[in-house]
Amino acid sequence: AQSVSQHNHHVILSEAASLELGCNYSYGGTVNLFWYVQYPGQHLQLLLKYFSGDPLVKGIKGFEAEFIKSKFSFNLRKPSVQWSDTAEYFCAVNGGNNDMRFGAGTRLTVKP
Amino acid sequence: EAQVTQNPRYLITVTGKKLTVTCSQNMNHEYMSWYRQDPGLGLRQIYYSMNVEVTDKGDVPEGYKVSRKEKRNFPLILESPSPNQTSLYFCASSLYSPPGAYNSPLHFGNGTRLTVT
Repeated sequence: AQSVSQHNHHVILSEAASLELGCNYSYGGTVNLFWYVQYPGQHLQLLLKYFSGDPLVKGIKGFEAEFIKSKFSFNLRKPSVQWSDTAEYFCAVNGGNNDMRFGAGTRLTVKP
Repeated sequence: EAQVTQNPRYLITVTGKKLTVTCSQNMNHEYMSWYRQDPGLGLRQIYYSMNVEVTDKGDVPEGYKVSRKEKRNFPLILESPSPNQTSLYFCASSLYSPPGAYNSPLHFGNGTRLTVT
């Protein structure tokens, strides 16, 4: 069965620091990959998605992610974080079937 | 406004008392799903539905039931709730199956925080 691993449970950064959150998945076939963000007390919102084509995808709020097929990875990056980026971030994978697997989430705290 | 609506937002109940959490979407989405969110475990899928009258188990279906009699509604039923079902529940929908494909991402409701004592 497909699974998703997020390596960092809690990341603490100062404003303007660069961010990279790791995501690895285990699935041998074609995958659709997603990053969702959950701000405190809110529901999940889509940050960005990869279906095919350019492995570097850009999302909202300055986030981007790179799909590296050989490493089964889809890491999320942002060059300079802001206090308002404090949230929980979830990587998700759909392997073409009818479920969507989520990672355990990474909590990001940005200190002003 | 296009949205997924869950009710109630908060629910405190006692062990064994049947309850239903409602979910409704107004976007004519085919696919609907229920997740529970627990600290350190992320979101785990309970049940999903690809269309009316078509439902299937996710990763953690034990203790839950669902039905999809109409396209817009996908209620989650706990026949005999137990304390280990205390969690934050999210309903989600997407235009097509599989979820997220064909440029149709999952849309989430605002969540239902359930406490079973």
